[in-house]
Amino acid sequence: DVKVTQSSRYLVKRTGEKVFLECVQDMDHENMFWYRQDPGLGLRLIYFSYDVKMKEKGDIPEGYSVSREKKERFSLILESASTNQTSMYLCATQLPGGLYGYTFGSGTRLTVV
Amino acid sequence: TQLLEQSPQFLSIQEGENLTVYCNSSSVFSSLQWYRQEPGEGPVLLVTVVTGGEVKKLKRLTFQFGDARKDSSLHITAAQPGDTGLYLCAGRGGSNYKLTFGKGTLLTVNP
Repeated sequence: DVKVTQSSRYLVKRTGEKVFLECVQDMDHENMFWYRQDPGLGLRLIYFSYDVKMKEKGDIPEGYSVSREKKERFSLILESASTNQTSMYLCATQLPGGLYGYTFGSGTRLTVV
Repeated sequence: TQLLEQSPQFLSIQEGENLTVYCNSSSVFSSLQWYRQEPGEGPVLLVTVVTGGEVKKLKRLTFQFGDARKDSSLHITAAQPGDTGLYLCAGRGGSNYKLTFGKGTLLTVNP
């Protein structure tokens, strides 16, 4: 089974800090995604990557950036954390092609104070 | 923008009862997936349906894709406390990468 590991389960950061969320997969999946999940709003796509150094904006990219220097690692960066970025962040991977589902990590619960 | 509406939003039932949750859209999807998410964890894929009218069974769970590929349902027979969780549907439209997620149905099965 594919394993998707997110570096932290819980994080508390201060407003204005630069925050790095790391996601590592142990299989050779080309596609990787970052979502945030908020009550009443569901899962919203922030960014995704379909290959090393390739990235595309999702539905809510403002205030975020990403980095994919190696196939197995996809990082989400909050350039200057704000309280409205308090959320559950979920990383997912996928084999290419239209029929495959996502494999999600366990999530990082980020609180910005 | 493709949207998926899930209903009901919340469902609390007793062990042994049957239930159905729904996932509806005005858009056509090439495939649709169902996930279950337990508290503090990421969603886990349950099933993918592709063909209009398709029915798939996973033990006590029955998934159906609508004939027009705009809607889907999940039926659970004889629910158990282990079925408790957030059930999410997700549809794939024109993109090979991106899924559109519904907001989910939060199911609680009481012993």
